Amino acid sequence: AQSVTQLDSQVPVFEEAPVELRCNYSSSVSVYLFWYVQYPNQGLQLLLKYLSGSTLVKGINGFEAEFNKSQTSFHLRKPSVHISDTAEYFCAVRSSGGSYIPTFGRGTSLIVHP
Amino acid sequence: GAVVSQHPSRVICKSGTSVKIECRSLDFQATTMFWYRQFPKKSLMLMATSNEGSKATYEQGVEKDKFLINHASLTLSTLTVTSAHPEDSSFYICSAGRTGIYYGYTFGSGTRLTVV
Repeated sequence: AQSVTQLDSQVPVFEEAPVELRCNYSSSVSVYLFWYVQYPNQGLQLLLKYLSGSTLVKGINGFEAEFNKSQTSFHLRKPSVHISDTAEYFCAVRSSGGSYIPTFGRGTSLIVHP
Repeated sequence: GAVVSQHPSRVICKSGTSVKIECRSLDFQATTMFWYRQFPKKSLMLMATSNEGSKATYEQGVEKDKFLINHASLTLSTLTVTSAHPEDSSFYICSAGRTGIYYGYTFGSGTRLTVV
């Protein structure tokens, strides 16, 4: 079994400030990790994913995330946010073998203020 | 590539009627499709997993007779909410992918169902 914890339900930040959205997971097996973004009344869009290799993963829209196996974390970062980054962000995990069904966190609402 | 089209985007129906939501993979063959339900300010709740040509696997607590899922082809899965009630009002999202080596899951744009 696996689980995902997004520690912050809401993160307010001013435009052009850096932001970090936290994600921790638990799993007894190797995992793949994902971050998705959801704009209001839309589906989810993949921001980035970690499958293997370099622990620093770069995604779309200037986001990046770092896989830390010892801390079982996969925090999402952006050095300078824009108003348009205001959205819901979901961290997800699935095992690298066996079940291909992902487990989602509860989401973090990023609110960018002007 | 990897586009999933979900239709309709919004639907309002009367209590007691049925509503069908379609999920199509436009440029790839989706061997597996997932159906999620999302409540306001909540994460995604997996309702069922469907594999082409076989019966859907429902998550615990999801009524299979109420939420009918059909995955008759590699590009189309449908979710039919039968005898809808106001408590079925929600945002439904489909996701499509291919099993085996990871190809990624692509999400539809979601359907806002309102039962009045």
